[in-house]
Amino acid sequence: NAGVTQTPKFRILKIGQSMTLQCTQDMNHNYMYWYRQDPGMGLKLIYYSVGAGITDKGEVPNGYNVSRSTTEDFPLRLELAAPSQTSVYFCASRDLKNQPQHFGDGTRLSIL
Amino acid sequence: GDSVTQMEGPVTLSEEAFLTINCTYTATGYPSLFWYVQYPGEGLQLLLKATKADDKGSNKGFEATYRKETTSFHLEKGSVQVSDSAVYFCALRGMNTGFQKLVFGTGTRLLVSP
Repeated sequence: NAGVTQTPKFRILKIGQSMTLQCTQDMNHNYMYWYRQDPGMGLKLIYYSVGAGITDKGEVPNGYNVSRSTTEDFPLRLELAAPSQTSVYFCASRDLKNQPQHFGDGTRLSIL
Repeated sequence: GDSVTQMEGPVTLSEEAFLTINCTYTATGYPSLFWYVQYPGEGLQLLLKATKADDKGSNKGFEATYRKETTSFHLEKGSVQVSDSAVYFCALRGMNTGFQKLVFGTGTRLLVSP
């Protein structure tokens, strides 16, 4: 099973550029999440989704957008990259039965 | 709001030493508690969990007991191995967090030397 797959694994952006971080899961999970992990910090929730067509803001949504057109995919969009968005981004998913979240391997993003 | 506090690292141990990583939490009601592990270059993996007071979660030789009276969920292992070197995150899923999001501690890095 592939589980949660994130692409790319690494990316360097210039200030003001835009990009989309991809996340897909093959477990038919309804809940999906985007976190960022800054050095020495825990994970902070950016956005989450409870199913196709439904998304909501987490703790740190500013500068990001998401969409959920299918159950499998939950892309995260950065429109105008800023140095403060340099971080490691993790996508996670969970099913409806109160089970723990499954995480992808992360995308390391540097904005210079 | 809900929060998790972990001891700062790094924790440096020799192989076969005893490990304790402290975790305390603040939450209303009865949250579920988790320990996740992150190996270098990888995502977080669930290590163990406990969903009610006095429950003991265990996996791969690691244990943690949900202590409601002290609001703690300390991670322990009797004899660590070099392969246990990783970052360990304590997390909770509160009763009132909305769509059951996780609240994470800052993580504790464990370094085990041969």
